[in-house]
Amino acid sequence: QAQLVQSGAEVKKPGASVKVSCKASGYTFTSYGISWVRQAPGQGLEWMGWISAYNGNTNYAQNFQGRLTMTTDTSTNTAYMELRSLTFDDTAVYYCARDVGENWCDPWGQGTLVTVSS
Amino acid sequence: DIQMTQSPSTLSASVRDRVTITCRASQSISNWLAWYQQKPGQAPKLLIFKASSLESGVPSRFSGSGSGTEFTLTISSLQPDDFATYYCQQYNSSPLTFGGGTKVEIK
Repeated sequence: QAQLVQSGAEVKKPGASVKVSCKASGYTFTSYGISWVRQAPGQGLEWMGWISAYNGNTNYAQNFQGRLTMTTDTSTNTAYMELRSLTFDDTAVYYCARDVGENWCDPWGQGTLVTVSS
Repeated sequence: DIQMTQSPSTLSASVRDRVTITCRASQSISNWLAWYQQKPGQAPKLLIFKASSLESGVPSRFSGSGSGTEFTLTISSLQPDDFATYYCQQYNSSPLTFGGGTKVEIK
């Protein structure tokens, strides 16, 4: 069955960048896209953007334009999310999820906690 | 952006209760709506897509209905495993947006 496994927790200083990986298995990677969603502590879900694993097309939420980059590596079935110029407000659990085309998300990765701390 | 409003934000219920959660969209989203369940420390899990289609493997006590701007998630007989937070999500247009969540607690 489809599964997404994310990289481990990160601690970053304000102004730094973080890159989270999401390795897919159990399905044809290039037949779907990947959405990234984050969840601040005790808060709800916020969609960050989507990338097609077929052709690399991306669509980023306006809130992250200019400091977010999503990429995929089809040789390893891995998606990446890089967020730059981190602030304390970026402290959150970051999830990747399989998403055929900015639709529903299923399944989800286990989440990666990114803590921004001085 | 389309705003998604869930109610209530918290719901106290007992095992075997019938539970209904409402999600309203700020504009029509046809039936482009999904529901997720999230337990503490876990990733969300898809329950319903296209407003009323049950995801494979999800118990039949879960059902979804609605179209346009008003949607409901119903649990016909609440089970101990169902105590969790539930989110709706619209995918009619970008950016995808989620409701604020409904926490279902033990009464």
